[in-house]
Formats: sequence, structure tokens, C-alpha cells
Amino acid sequence: SAVISQKPSRDICQRGTSLTIQCQVDSQVTMMFWYRQQPGQSLTLIATANQGSEATYESGFVIDKFPISRPNLTFSTLTVSNMSPEDSSIYLCSAGTGADTQYFGPGTRLTVL
Amino acid sequence: TQLLEQSPQFLSIQEGENLTVYCNSSSVFSSLQWYRQEPGEGPVLLVTVVTGGEVKKLKRLTFQFGDARKDSSLHITAAQPGDTGLYLCAGNYGQNFVFGPGTRLSVLP
Repeated sequence: SAVISQKPSRDICQRGTSLTIQCQVDSQVTMMFWYRQQPGQSLTLIATANQGSEATYESGFVIDKFPISRPNLTFSTLTVSNMSPEDSSIYLCSAGTGADTQYFGPGTRLTVL
Repeated sequence: TQLLEQSPQFLSIQEGENLTVYCNSSSVFSSLQWYRQEPGEGPVLLVTVVTGGEVKKLKRLTFQFGDARKDSSLHITAAQPGDTGLYLCAGNYGQNFVFGPGTRLSVLP
């Protein structure tokens, strides 16, 4: 298994600003993902964070709005850019060592005013 | 597009009762995972099933993967208040995962 931490755990931000969320894994992992979970809803995959190359984004998510970095096998960041109230959500990082298992961080609860 | 459906969407039962939640798709998955998520926390992996027809047991929880690898069920025996949470199934295809909408379970003491 892998232990995943996220920072910040929560934040309240003003419209038009940007927030960078950090995800740290306690061991080297092959795969890292970023998800969004809106209140009372399930998880929607934003992108797969690739080490050494550009992230792979799902339909409806673009790099300009959600730039992602993954400088090594244990760390990734997600930036939510030019925020609006519609971006208020829980953002979750996950990591996996294989194709059929992933472990989640505790999430970052974002509120945009 | 790979889609997963879960039923029921909500379930409220008394402590000691048994229950089954279902995860269904028209697509075939290479594996399927079940997670439980409690408020304010990330999902916690309960089990991964890989082989069609596979049955796995985790204490009072029994997981089954359909023969065709398109559906799965989670059965809880003698539910306890600690079982309360959002149960999510997730299907794996290639390097990606798709999550179902979840079943929100409430077990009343």
C-alpha cells in the first residue's frame, strides 16, 4: 500500500486567483491521478500525472485550467487556475503501483467565493 | 465511454441487518475495486477483484465479480454503525479508472 498526504487540507479562495495543491506519496509509485469530487457526488478523473512528460487530461479538463506537475515518482501538484465558484469541490490525489489498485489522499476541500 | 451504475443510491438500515449493493456496467473491465469513503476523508480501498466469478471475503463483507466481468456486488452481513459511509465501485480499463456514482449507506444503532 501507499500513504498519501495532501496540502492544503482546505482553503477558501477569491474568484480569479489560483491555488496549487500538493500530493506527496511515501514510496515511489508508477501512477498518480487527480480527481474532483463535488458535494454528494462520485469522483471524476481530471488527469493522469505522468513523470517526465505532460499530464494526460480527461474530456472536459484542459491544461490551462488545471496545470499539473510531476517532477519525480513521489510528488505531484495540481493548480486550479483563475478560479470561479464552480471550481468549489474536493480535489483528491491518488497513486498506484499497478494497473488495478490505487490509494487516495485525504483530499483538499476548496471553496471559491 | 465506460460507465458504471450503482444501486441503490441510498440505503438506511438498522444495525444487525444484511444488505447488498450492486455495481453494473455494459462494459467489460479488467478489474474492479470497491472503496468506502467517510465524510472529510479520501476513499479507502476495500478490495480488488480481477477474475470473472471471483468471490472475496473481508470479515463481514463479501465481494463478487460477475462471470462476464461487467458487474459486481458487495454484501454486508450484520451491518454495524461503523459500516456507515459512501461505497464506491471503480472499474479499471487500461491505465484508467472510472467510478460509479456511489451508494450512501447509513446504519442506525
